[in-house]
Amino acid sequence: EDQVTQSPEALRLQEGESSSLNCSYTVSGLRGLFWYRQDPGKGPEFLFTLYSAGEEKEKERLKATLTKKESFLHITAPKPEDSATYLCAVQAWGNKLVFGAGTILRVKS
Amino acid sequence: DTGVSQNPRHKITKRGQNVTFRCDPISEHNRLYWYRQTLGQGPEFLTYFQNEAQLEKSRLLSDRFSAERPKGSFSTLEIQRTEQGDSAMYLCASSAGDRADEKLFFGSGTQLSVL
Repeated sequence: EDQVTQSPEALRLQEGESSSLNCSYTVSGLRGLFWYRQDPGKGPEFLFTLYSAGEEKEKERLKATLTKKESFLHITAPKPEDSATYLCAVQAWGNKLVFGAGTILRVKS
Repeated sequence: DTGVSQNPRHKITKRGQNVTFRCDPISEHNRLYWYRQTLGQGPEFLTYFQNEAQLEKSRLLSDRFSAERPKGSFSTLEIQRTEQGDSAMYLCASSAGDRADEKLFFGSGTQLSVL
């Protein structure tokens, strides 16, 4: 069965303090690994798709990387507006995404 | 592009009542999904439509749940004889294209509370 585990469950950072979020996955036939951001009371918002090991994508202060077993979301010099829940999901065969429980990020100024 | 719209935003009902939610996807998005999210968890897949055809349903979806997408436009999700365990955020998402690995655009969800 496809599974996604995210760590840590929660992370508190000072503004400017860089860190990484981890997403470990087991899936039969990875078609894509997705990162989404979710603000309280809203639906998830797409950030990145990674398709193969070694792939990296960047957007502003965020950089996502992928290996055969896990993905990292690196946050460089975060700002308070980066505070959100970050969700990782995998797409195997079929039409559904399997999500992890998310990492709640709080950035204090 | 006004995004994915879901109504109502909040629904409070008593156990045993039926409820219906509506989702208006982004115009011309042929793929539509329903997910359910409980507090502290990630979204959980419920069902998928390609145009008007319901092509995939979660094995976790009981027969009290039914979804439709008439004419391949908006979609409705109905829960019959609601139970307290049905309390959750119900999210709708849509995407365009022929590939299942296209990014999804989510609505803000309908928060259901069953008393």
